Amino acid sequence: EAGVAQSPRYKIIEKRQSVAFWCNPISGHATLYWYQQILGQGPKLLIQFQNNGVVDDSQLPKDRFSAERLKGVDSTLKIQPAKLEDSAVYLCASSSGALRVTDTQYFGPGTRLTVL
Amino acid sequence: AQKITQTQPGMFVQEKEAVTLDCTYDTSDQSYGLFWYKQPSSGEMIFLIYQGSYDEQNATEGRYSLNFQKARKSANLVISASQLGDSAMYFCAMRDNNNDMRFGAGTRLTVKP
Repeated sequence: EAGVAQSPRYKIIEKRQSVAFWCNPISGHATLYWYQQILGQGPKLLIQFQNNGVVDDSQLPKDRFSAERLKGVDSTLKIQPAKLEDSAVYLCASSSGALRVTDTQYFGPGTRLTVL
Repeated sequence: AQKITQTQPGMFVQEKEAVTLDCTYDTSDQSYGLFWYKQPSSGEMIFLIYQGSYDEQNATEGRYSLNFQKARKSANLVISASQLGDSAMYFCAMRDNNNDMRFGAGTRLTVKP
């Protein structure tokens, strides 16, 4: 079974530029998550989708971050415009979608973003 | 709000020895799940083990076991027979009825040959 796919793996941009990340979850997984992991910290949830609907985006900085999952499968996360403090690893995860406490999340390899 | 605490920023263990990584949590929910993930230098978060709040037995997965003490709100990860490949960051996480997963700050484990 293929795992969670993410691209690109690395991205370097100048501040105020835009960037987009792509995620393809494990086949059949209804729930998709985007996390931000700043160096030296644990991942922080940005947004959670159930199929193509948003379950939780309370920690997403909506003035510059946006995410979509139009067909309930792939997802893109966009930052526009980027700031220096957005330098982090962006992790995508998926789970079967039971929305229970037992629902295990499986992560992709992440995208390491550097904003100069 | 739920909170996860990992008090050990770094740990060292000799190859083939056992090591315990600490994790305490705080939640007002009765139903919750506890997870441990391993993050090697490559960056991917690898799921290791899960413990449900109603599970009576401590979870085990191969060389990993979870020492779950519900009254003390602790969920320590025990790695037996450490291997060089176990060197990585380890994160404790919890999911309660709010559905979002919260992670601790992590513990960096170094296995010495």
